[in-house]
Formats: sequence, structure tokens, C-alpha cells
Amino acid sequence: NAGVTQTPKFQVLKTGQSMTLQCAQDMNHEYMSWYRQDPGMGLRLIHYSVGAGITDQGEVPNGYNVSRSTTEDFPLRLLSAAPSQTSVYFCASSYEQGRKLFFGSGTQLSVL
Amino acid sequence: QKEVEQDPGPLSVPEGAIVSLNCTYSNSAFQYFMWYRQYSRKGPELLMYTYSSGNKEDGRFTAQVDKSSKYISLFIRDSQPSDSATYLCAMSAFGNQFYFGTGTSLTVIP
Repeated sequence: NAGVTQTPKFQVLKTGQSMTLQCAQDMNHEYMSWYRQDPGMGLRLIHYSVGAGITDQGEVPNGYNVSRSTTEDFPLRLLSAAPSQTSVYFCASSYEQGRKLFFGSGTQLSVL
Repeated sequence: QKEVEQDPGPLSVPEGAIVSLNCTYSNSAFQYFMWYRQYSRKGPELLMYTYSSGNKEDGRFTAQVDKSSKYISLFIRDSQPSDSATYLCAMSAFGNQFYFGTGTSLTVIP
């Protein structure tokens, strides 16, 4: 019973590099989302999706891109990494938006 | 004003103590209330889930929701060192975003 799986667990990037954080869930959840967690600021919503082909912006979307081609996968792309994007990133999914939310184990990203 | 307010602590208690964690909120539309436990360098783990007002008990954990006061609580009885973690409250309205508290850091001293 895998739940929400995120890869990689750790990543170090140089300023300006791009990369994709992967997220997959096997619970047939329609709602998926990406959060970043920074000390003292809690969890902040980056992007979310209420189903395949539908995405929308959250509180802090700048510098990130998402797409949702399947129910299972919701990758997060960093277009041109900046030191301000150093953070821990969590993917989360829910059967319906607003219901129980389940988190992945996180990706710790450092941008130098 | 933030949608959800949570005292960050830190909170330090002796083993066996009763712990009370609280959050207040401003949006009367919230219907779903959750508590998450997050160990260091791990993802938040759903601990308790409550719909609307009332109490819910699960082992040593009790969640309370008072919608009239816009106040939710998590009680931990007979606290154990393994309960040492950061506890996040979260809430939402159906079909809407989730709102999180910033978390309360708890240490249970053996």
C-alpha cells in the first residue's frame, strides 16, 4: 500500500538549473497538490489539481509549473531554480478537494 | 488575519502528562478538521479527522471541535517520548483549499 510516493528525496541544484519533482499516488485520488514547507511559515500551497487535465495556482505558484496527464501522477517543474526555492516540498492527495489529505514523504531541495 | 492560528510552542512535558494542543480559525465555512503529526524530516501523517463539531477519540488521542468558538483542540493522554513531534492543525470547506496552522513543536521528556 504505497500511498503518495515522491522522488527524489534529496536534490541539490545550481541557480538557473531546471528539474522535475515526481509525485505518484495509487489511491485513485482526484485531488493532488504541491506544498512547500519553510521554517516559521508552515505549509504553503504551490499548485493543485482536481482531476486529470485540470490544474490551478495556489498561494506561491511563481517559478513552478505543473501538469496532470493521468490521475496517478502530478509532477512539479522548477523552470529556473533560485536560492529562494530552497525548501522541503510535499505532494499530497485527497479523494475530494477539502476532504482527508494524505502526504508524501517530501523532497528536500537546496539551490546554491 | 491568518485563516488559522496555532501557537508554535515549543511545548515540553514529562512522560505521562496530558497534552493540549489548540488552533483557532476565522472562517465559519470550515467543516473538516484534521490534526497531523510530523516527525523531523518526514511528511505530515494524518492523525485525526473530524467533520463538523464534536469530539472524536482514537486511543490516547481526542480531537475536539467547537465551531461556535472557532476553536479546535487535540488532547494526548499518557504522553510518550514517541509523541515528540510537530503537530499541525488543518481545516477546509468542501470543495475548497486546505488551511494549515504553522505547527506546535512537542517534546515529551522521559
